[in-house]
Amino acid sequence: EVQLLESGGGLIQPGGSLRLSCEVSGFTFSSYAMSWVRQAPGKGLEWVSAISGSGGSTYYADSVKGRFTISRDNSKNTLYLQMNSLRAEDSALYYCAKETALLDAFDFWGQGTMVTVSS
Amino acid sequence: EIVLTQSPATLSLSPGERVTLSCRASQSISRNLAWYRQKPGQAPRLLISDASNRATGIPARFSGSGSGTDFTLTISSLEPEDFAVYYCQHRNNWPITFGQGTRLEIK
Repeated sequence: EVQLLESGGGLIQPGGSLRLSCEVSGFTFSSYAMSWVRQAPGKGLEWVSAISGSGGSTYYADSVKGRFTISRDNSKNTLYLQMNSLRAEDSALYYCAKETALLDAFDFWGQGTMVTVSS
Repeated sequence: EIVLTQSPATLSLSPGERVTLSCRASQSISRNLAWYRQKPGQAPRLLISDASNRATGIPARFSGSGSGTDFTLTISSLEPEDFAVYYCQHRNNWPITFGQGTRLEIK
């Protein structure tokens, strides 16, 4: 059974840093690209960042480029999102999501970890 | 950046009815479109990939069609669990974007 479990969210002051983790099981982690997708309270879905299976290629939304860093440790079956210089508008539920082998959709999602940026 | 526009924003329907949701892309995305359903308090669930391929375990009442810039998701007969928010998402190039969502409400 495929499982994705996010952690690391919490309340952080503007300008602060946070690292999110997503531990996965039930599939060969290194074979699949992964993404982070966020959802502000009551709002729609926003793709944040993606990483290839090997970790050699990374992609970012303009809204987080230069502030967030996606990475993965395939030996630990874990995806990460380092978030620096956090802003109020980064407050959201952050989901990790697994891409299909064909890279055409997100076929499995975690339950999310909440990040609140507030003083 | 490709903008996906979903319509309508909200629909009020009854169980058993047929519904068609629309997603329009700001430029051609071939068939690189997926649909998701998100129930309250839950993560999104993949329904359709590659415009018309049902995901594993998705009932036959869900069907997708379209290519280029115009796409539709059809639910042939609404079940109670289908009253939720539906999102389209393109995977044509970077950045990936989602539509703003269509909410299906019970009439």
